[in-house]
Amino acid sequence: EAQVTQNPRYLITVTGKKLTVTCSQNMNHEYMSWYRQDPGLGLRQIYYSMNVEVTDKGDVPEGYKVSRKEKRNFPLILESPSPNQTSLYFCASSFIQQGNEQFFGPGTRLTVL
Amino acid sequence: AQSVTQLGSHVSVSEGALVLLRCNYSSSVPPYLFWYVQYPNQGLQLLLKYTSAATLVKGINGFEAEFKKSETSFHLTKPSAHMSDAAEYFCAVSRGGSNYKLTFGKGTLLTVNP
Repeated sequence: EAQVTQNPRYLITVTGKKLTVTCSQNMNHEYMSWYRQDPGLGLRQIYYSMNVEVTDKGDVPEGYKVSRKEKRNFPLILESPSPNQTSLYFCASSFIQQGNEQFFGPGTRLTVL
Repeated sequence: AQSVTQLGSHVSVSEGALVLLRCNYSSSVPPYLFWYVQYPNQGLQLLLKYTSAATLVKGINGFEAEFKKSETSFHLTKPSAHMSDAAEYFCAVSRGGSNYKLTFGKGTLLTVNP
C-alpha cells in the first residue's frame, strides 16, 4: 500500500530534550516536506526537500533541523524543544511536477512541557 | 506572496442540505488549487484539485469545486450532506516555482446535524 508513515504518533517530552520524528514514504517521491498544524493557523511549512541531500527552509524553520540521506526518509529533528513547538506535525511527499497531489502522513502530536 | 482565505471557520448544515465551503486565493500567477479533508485524528486526504484544465472539478465523495478566475475563488460544494462528511476542510494553493509548498487556509470545520 502506498503510504507515508510517521513515528511516533504521539509524544510528550520536556523542554530541551532532543527528539526526532521519523517520516518514510514508499512511493519513490522526490519531494518531501514537513508542516505543522496549529489551531486557527492552518498548516505551515517547516522544511522541504527536493531530493536526496537537497533541503531548504519553509516558512517556520526556527528550532528545527532535517536531513535527507535516503530518498524514502525525511526525519524532523528538534535539538532543544520548547513549549511553543507543541503542535501537530505532518510529513508529506509527492513527485516533482507542478500540481501534483501531496500525500500526507497520519500526523505526530507533540507536547513539550 | 500567495495566500488563501477560507470564509467561516465553522459551518453547520443539516443532513441532506447543500454544503458550501468558501475559498478565495491571492496569487500573481495562475495557481494550482486543492481541497483537502481531515477526519478526526487522521492525516489530510485530497478531495480534488484544479490544475488549469476544466474549471469545474469533481472530486471524491460527491464533492466538486469551481475555479472562477475573475472572483479568485475555488468554493467547494456538495448537493446533499451526509453525516460522514463531518470533518475539517482545507483549501490550499501551490504556485509552483522551486518549492512545491502548499499554502493552506485556516480550515473550515463542517458539522452535519441529523
